[in-house]
Formats: sequence, C-alpha cells, structure tokens
Amino acid sequence: IAGITQAPTSQILAAGRRMTLRCTQDMRHNAMYWYRQDLGLGLRLIHYSNTAGTTGKGEVPDGYSVSRANTDDFPLTLASAVPSQTSVYFCASSDMGRRDEQFFGPGTRLTVL
Amino acid sequence: GQNIDQPTEMTATEGAIVQINCTYQTSGFNGLFWYQQHAGEAPTFLSYNVLDGLEEKGRFSSFLSRSKGYSYLLLKELQMKDSASYLCAVRGRSTLGRLYFGRGTQLTVWP
Repeated sequence: IAGITQAPTSQILAAGRRMTLRCTQDMRHNAMYWYRQDLGLGLRLIHYSNTAGTTGKGEVPDGYSVSRANTDDFPLTLASAVPSQTSVYFCASSDMGRRDEQFFGPGTRLTVL
Repeated sequence: GQNIDQPTEMTATEGAIVQINCTYQTSGFNGLFWYQQHAGEAPTFLSYNVLDGLEEKGRFSSFLSRSKGYSYLLLKELQMKDSASYLCAVRGRSTLGRLYFGRGTQLTVWP
C-alpha cells in the first residue's frame, strides 16, 4: 500500500539522549518534510528536502538534523534531546508538481523527560 | 515572511453550514491549501486554490481572493464526523514546495 510510514509511533526519552525518527515513503515523491505540532502553535516546519542529496532549514531547525541519502528515506535526528522537543512529529512528502499537495505520515509522539 | 490567521474554535449543529475563514500575508503567493485533521491523526488534504474563485468538491468548497489575501472553507450538511481541526496553509512563490500553516480551527459539530 503506497504511503508514508513513521517509526516509532511513540517514544519516551531521557533528556540528553540521541534519537532518530524514521520516515519512509514509497510514492517516489521528490520532496520530503519534517514538521512538529504543538498545542496552540500548529504545524511548524523543521527541515525539508526538495530532492535526494539536498536538505534545507525550516522555521524551527535548531536541535535537529536530517539527511536524504535516497528518495524514500528522510530520518530526523535529535542529537541531544531537551524537554522542549516534546511534541508530535509529522513527516510529509510531495511530488512538487503543479498542485504539490503534501501527504502526511501517521506521526511520532515524542516525550522528553 | 508569512502570517496566516484563522479562528481558533467554531461550533455548529448537524445539518448546518459552516464557513471557516483564513487570512494571510505572504511575501509571494503560489497556492492555498486546506487540510483536515482529526484528533490523534495526521492531516489529510481537502482542497487547493491558486486562482481566484470557488472550488467545489462534494460537501466541501473553498474560495480564494488573492487581492484580499483571504480564503474560506465552506462545509455543508454537517455531520458529526466533520468534527476536526481545519488547517489553512499557504505556499510561497519563492519557497518551492514549502507550506506555511495557520494554527488551525477546531470545529465541533453537535447533534
């Protein structure tokens, strides 16, 4: 079934630990995105990638890094987690065509203690 | 920069019509999207406008006025399952596929 998968579904993490959130899509979309969603703040873009091998910073990139080694995978890494990174993280992808709607993964609920 | 504004909450009754407004200010404009998000789930695409006017899709319609920086989402014949958050998002002209989201409007439909 085509779509986007994210792992893990949820995670509780001690502050200072390293964590990688995984995202894989099988729609052969060029572009991929990472958002965080916090109550009252809506979806905010963390990092994006317009094509394999390239990445860019979004609105809230500090404390996060990404890589795009191939078309399908776009992992998000928290090098040293802090409590303010407690959030729901959504990965999305799009084909960057005329309409370019984004398709979202199911999300990862991360709690940093 | 981007500034997108929509009401925080709205309520309506089953069978009614509700209009959710979105105003935006952007440094360039290349499309406006509406997404629906049920509690605990991912956003799903509802509609897209890039030219002025009304786009209709079943019970949902979306309107855009680029000169006014204004859009609305119209939901007709409301059903309980329409209770969700509705997100307005704008794509800038110079930002390729990137979307800027409003904070969402939480719609509650009462029986």
